[in-house]
Amino acid sequence: AQKITQTQPGMFVQEKEAVTLDCTYDTSDPSYGLFWYKQPSSGEMIFLIYQGSYDQQNATEGRYSLNFQKARKSANLVISASQLGDSAMYFCAMREGPGYGGATNKLIFGTGTLLAVQP
Amino acid sequence: SQTIHQWPATLVQPVGSPLSLECTVEGTSNPNLYWYRQAAGRGLQLLFYSVGIGQISSEVPQNLSASRPQDRQFILSSKKLLLSDSGFYLCAWRRASGSSYNEQFFGPGTRLTVL
Repeated sequence: AQKITQTQPGMFVQEKEAVTLDCTYDTSDPSYGLFWYKQPSSGEMIFLIYQGSYDQQNATEGRYSLNFQKARKSANLVISASQLGDSAMYFCAMREGPGYGGATNKLIFGTGTLLAVQP
Repeated sequence: SQTIHQWPATLVQPVGSPLSLECTVEGTSNPNLYWYRQAAGRGLQLLFYSVGIGQISSEVPQNLSASRPQDRQFILSSKKLLLSDSGFYLCAWRRASGSSYNEQFFGPGTRLTVL
């Protein structure tokens, strides 16, 4: 079974509008972390935002926020006020288990969503 | 500040040739290190990780191997490349402890084409 599912292969959004990128996950571990990364055409993976399974509040980082719905196992990324520079591939990823001690902290990635911001 | 380097940036190799990709991290000590591969249009797949010098764990059995000869150096190797080894190889690091230990930070990647 897929651990991370991103159902939107591609998305269009108008500049200055908000956009939501979907991500659902599957795990039986009570401790886990959810990440979003941005991959522009250059190929580098840029960390955007992190949500821990025990975090009470949704994570926010500037124009990025993570809509964490634990019961539904979803961790959607919301980008407010889209900019042309936001055009890129976006990956949702999950770490199973705690992120401290000798844990592997390996990340399981979804297949990504290609976002195109239109002027 | 911490930086992560990978080289070469691009590589074209014939089938059956050897491979050596290098990753180095600056500005931190005893990081956890990771090698990922991204096939065209796909997500990332973890290949190897290391929690210390000489400590390598493999996630996917294949003709690749990894080594960590120094604390901040991670090397991905192959004795004989296959066509299926083509892809984008990304090295990543994470703080082993302390605050903000959750994020993995990625290098610029190496684009490998096997012909």
